[in-house]
Amino acid sequence: NAGVTQTPKFQVLKTGQSMTLQCAQDMNHNSMYWYRQDPGMGLRLIYYSASEGTTDKGEVPNGYNVSRLNKREFSLRLESAAPSQTSVYFCASSARGTSGGATYEQYFGPGTRLTVT
Amino acid sequence: GENVEQHPSTLSVQEGDSAVIKCTYSDSASNYFPWYKQELGKGPQLIIDIRSNVGEKKDQRIAVTLNKTAKHFSLHITETQPEDSAVYFCAARETGTASKLTFGTGTRLQVTL
Repeated sequence: NAGVTQTPKFQVLKTGQSMTLQCAQDMNHNSMYWYRQDPGMGLRLIYYSASEGTTDKGEVPNGYNVSRLNKREFSLRLESAAPSQTSVYFCASSARGTSGGATYEQYFGPGTRLTVT
Repeated sequence: GENVEQHPSTLSVQEGDSAVIKCTYSDSASNYFPWYKQELGKGPQLIIDIRSNVGEKKDQRIAVTLNKTAKHFSLHITETQPEDSAVYFCAARETGTASKLTFGTGTRLQVTL
């Protein structure tokens, strides 16, 4: 199993350009998440998808859109990149989206380092 | 929403000493508290977690304690080794949500020889 994979690993954009970050998991997980990581600020949730067909805003959704393409794939789109979106982006997945009983562990991908100039 | 504070932001210990990282949370309804380790250039990886119905959990050299009344939890690493050097994040899961986690700001642990 590859776990959670992300593409690309690195990307440089000019202000105003658009791009889509791709994420896929092969663990048959219901829930998927997008985080950004900035120095001194930990991991902040951008969007999440509790299950296929649903998406919800997290803590910092402005400037981003997401698509849960199917159970395996969850993409993050920047329509008009800004320097404030320079960050490392992590995708994660977990087994259960709602109600208790199962593990809540989130599995993270290796990250995409994005620079917007 | 949930708010998680983590201290210290950096911690340097000598090999063989113990390291303690502390976190506080704001939502008394939170019920799951994981700790993640992030090595340079990699994504975070779960190292230990604890649920709200348990006060302490141990796995070899690492342990986590939870004080629900005070709303704080701690990570304890004993007999530290150079490979323990990394950034550690605590998190809290909000109830009634899709396993959403709120993370602390991280602690950079340096184990010196």
